[in-house]
Amino acid sequence: EDKVVQSPLSLVVHEGDTVTLNCSYEVTNFRSLLWYKQEKKAPTFLFMLTSSGIEKKSGRLSSILDKKELFSILNITATQTGDSAVYLCAVEALGSGGSNYKLTFGKGTLLTVNP
Amino acid sequence: DVKVTQSSRYLVKRTGEKVFLECVQDMDHENMFWYRQDPGLGLRLIYFSYDVKMKEKGDIPEGYSVSREKKERFSLILESASTNQTSMYLCASTIFRGTEAFFGQGTRLTVV
Repeated sequence: EDKVVQSPLSLVVHEGDTVTLNCSYEVTNFRSLLWYKQEKKAPTFLFMLTSSGIEKKSGRLSSILDKKELFSILNITATQTGDSAVYLCAVEALGSGGSNYKLTFGKGTLLTVNP
Repeated sequence: DVKVTQSSRYLVKRTGEKVFLECVQDMDHENMFWYRQDPGLGLRLIYFSYDVKMKEKGDIPEGYSVSREKKERFSLILESASTNQTSMYLCASTIFRGTEAFFGQGTRLTVV
């Protein structure tokens, strides 16, 4: 069974801190890893990392993928209260049927940024 | 913008009822997914579909079935609702594998 494990499960920081969120995976036929942010609604897409794009950056957020060690990290610098959310990691890999790809999510990291 | 629409935001059903959750996407996406999200358990894949009339079981298919008669519509069916199926249900779609998933707004189902 595919596994996507995120750590920590929750984190409380103060505004201005830098945080690192972790995602490790064990899947068959990895294709891509995606990060999402979820506030009190549906998840919104942040980054996708593949073997051809193992580092992404957007503003204060950045992410890297280590395909050899099977993990990814999401960094948020100079955190703001608006960064408070659940951050979800998902891995696209081959489904059990063997011919189609599915998206498996980790349990998420709940980030709380206090003023 | 891609739009993924779920038919209901909130739903309350009785134990034993047959429940239909509908999801429609308007961008000709190939793949569609149904997840349920529970506190402490994250998003768990119930079923997914990669083409019309094609479906594949996810990690927790028991007690659920799906239907994809048209490319834009993916339905999740609870044959006989039970209280342990009380959850937030999220539908998602991707244009093709290797692309980001777009989510619907979610349906919070309560089975009493």
